Amino acid sequence: DVKVTQSSRYLVKRTGEKVFLECVQDMDHENMFWYRQDPGLGLRLIYFSYDVKMKEKGDIPEGYSVSREKKERFSLILESASTNQTSMYLCASRGTGATYEQYFGPGTRLTVT
Amino acid sequence: AQSVTQLGSHVSVSEGALVLLRCNYSSSVPPYLFWYVQYPNQGLQLLLKYTSAATLVKGINGFEAEFKKSETSFHLTKPSAHMSDAAEYFCAVSLGGYSTLTFGKGTMLLVSP
Repeated sequence: DVKVTQSSRYLVKRTGEKVFLECVQDMDHENMFWYRQDPGLGLRLIYFSYDVKMKEKGDIPEGYSVSREKKERFSLILESASTNQTSMYLCASRGTGATYEQYFGPGTRLTVT
Repeated sequence: AQSVTQLGSHVSVSEGALVLLRCNYSSSVPPYLFWYVQYPNQGLQLLLKYTSAATLVKGINGFEAEFKKSETSFHLTKPSAHMSDAAEYFCAVSLGGYSTLTFGKGTMLLVSP
């Protein structure tokens, strides 16, 4: 079974802090993704990566950056957290097979106060 | 570009009743379609996927979905609802290749005794 883990289930940070959300997958997948989930808005793609050291902007990249130094790890960085970044953050990974499904981690619920 | 519309942010059924969750997609090429389920405070779990093989797709927990190209639909059904089916359900579309997943806004399924 594919396993995607996220460093924290719940996180509380103050406005202006730098925040790191970590994601690790154990299936040697090339592709990794970061989403935020808000009620009524579904999942929105923040950033994704097709390979080590590669990154692509998703639909809502403003206020975020990412890092992928190793194939199994994909980090989401909030340079200066703001209250409108309070959300559920979900990481996913996907192999290069023909079926294109993504495998999700359990999520990190971030609250910025 | 692709998009997904899920009709109904909330659907209520009685235990034992038919479950029908609606999903319509827009895609410029033959799509790959997915249904995911999310239980409270958890990540997304793949229920089933359509990848251009059989148009009727069976998934886990007794769910199935039918791809109808003429109607651009991929509705999710289950003949008899269980209390444990109460969760949020997301429909998603991909164009394959390096395309990302585009999610609908989700439908919360409520099951009453």
